[in-house]
This record gives sequence, structure tokens and C-alpha cells, in this order.
Amino acid sequence: DIQLTQSPSFLSASVGDRVTITCRASQGISSYLAWYQQKPGKAPKLLIYVASTLQSGVPPRFSGSGSGTEFTLTISSLQPEDFATYYCQQLNSYPLTFGGGTKVEIK
Amino acid sequence: QVQLQQWGAGLLKPSETLSLTCAVYGGSFSGYYWSCIRQPPGKGLEWIGEINHSGSTSYNPSLKSRVTISVDTSKNQFSLRLRSVTAADTAVYYCARVVLGASRRYDYWGQGTLVTVSS
Repeated sequence: DIQLTQSPSFLSASVGDRVTITCRASQGISSYLAWYQQKPGKAPKLLIYVASTLQSGVPPRFSGSGSGTEFTLTISSLQPEDFATYYCQQLNSYPLTFGGGTKVEIK
Repeated sequence: QVQLQQWGAGLLKPSETLSLTCAVYGGSFSGYYWSCIRQPPGKGLEWIGEINHSGSTSYNPSLKSRVTISVDTSKNQFSLRLRSVTAADTAVYYCARVVLGASRRYDYWGQGTLVTVSS
């Protein structure tokens, strides 16, 4: 199985901050990586797919980059509604796997 | 607007079978794969498996011996069955739509169903 390691696992930040989350894959996954945002009690919401494509309706302050084994999700200016947990997912090979999550909290 | 509505029993005893059904409203059913994912309380996401409209499946090897995902195209529904549950199967179970091809992604999710396994 492909392991995805997210860092950091916890992040404390202020509104307006630039935030970067990293996802490292245990083997190359080309660009088959997606990012999701999850708020308490809610289903995950797709933000980014194929590493850098913004899902329709997602604000442009979210961006993704990377390929192979190293990927990043960046929030250019953190907004109050962005405080949530973020997960990466590899869709390159079965079984599909998720990273352990990064919880973004208010500083 | 695509919606996935899911339902199933919320409380099971050890050794029973978990059953979850997901109904798809809006959009094409046959043009996508359909997936089940779970999330134990306070933990991360675990992929369970996928199915397409013709019934072709892929399962997580860690659950494969106990899992069946099936599809009913006449109702635009798919279902998860997980046999011989234990407390370790306690989780929120989600269904999701899978977009195929070069832009592969999970773009619509159900609301989630909490399943608790307890004697």
C-alpha cells in the first residue's frame, strides 16, 4: 500500500496567515493526489484534484502543487471558515489511501 | 445538483452484518464509479472499496474478506455490506461519487452514517 504522510499534523495560525501543508507519498503517484477539507460532523469536501486543479466553487486562495512523491496544499490568506482538518488522498493505485490529516486551528 | 443520500442501522452487536445503502440523485449513474469510505471516531479516513454500474469492484485488502459492495442501477443505488463486525468497525461510514480518468477524484459525498458496534 502507498503510505501518505502529512505534516504538520496540527497547525495553529491566525486569520490572514499563509498556510502550507505537505503530503509525502511512500512511492511515486504521478499527479494523482487530491486534497479535502473536513469540518466537525461533516463529510469531506473536495478542494484540489490531480495535485493542482481547483474544484469548481472552491475559493482561489486554495492552491496545490507537486508531483511524484511530494505535494503541498497552500492557503494564501487564511479565513475564519478555513479552520478545519485537511486530508490528502492518493488515487494512483489500489488500495486508495489517505493521509493522517492536518488540523488547522485558530491561534 | 448531485446528492448522495445514505442510510443504515446505527447500532449493531458484534458478529452482525453492517448494511448501508446510498441513493444517488441527479447526474448520471452509469458514468461514474461509486465508493464507500469510513472514519473511526476522532481518526482519519479509510477507503473501503469501489464499484461501477456494471458491478465491477475493488476492495481494500484489509477488509476484502468481509466486504461486499453491490449496485442496483434500476434505483440508482449502491450498497455496502460488512460481515462479522467488531468494535473496531465503529465509524462514520460515507459514500462518495468517483470521477474516472485523468482527473480522478471523489467529488460528491453522502452525509455520513455513524455505525456503533457494541454488545
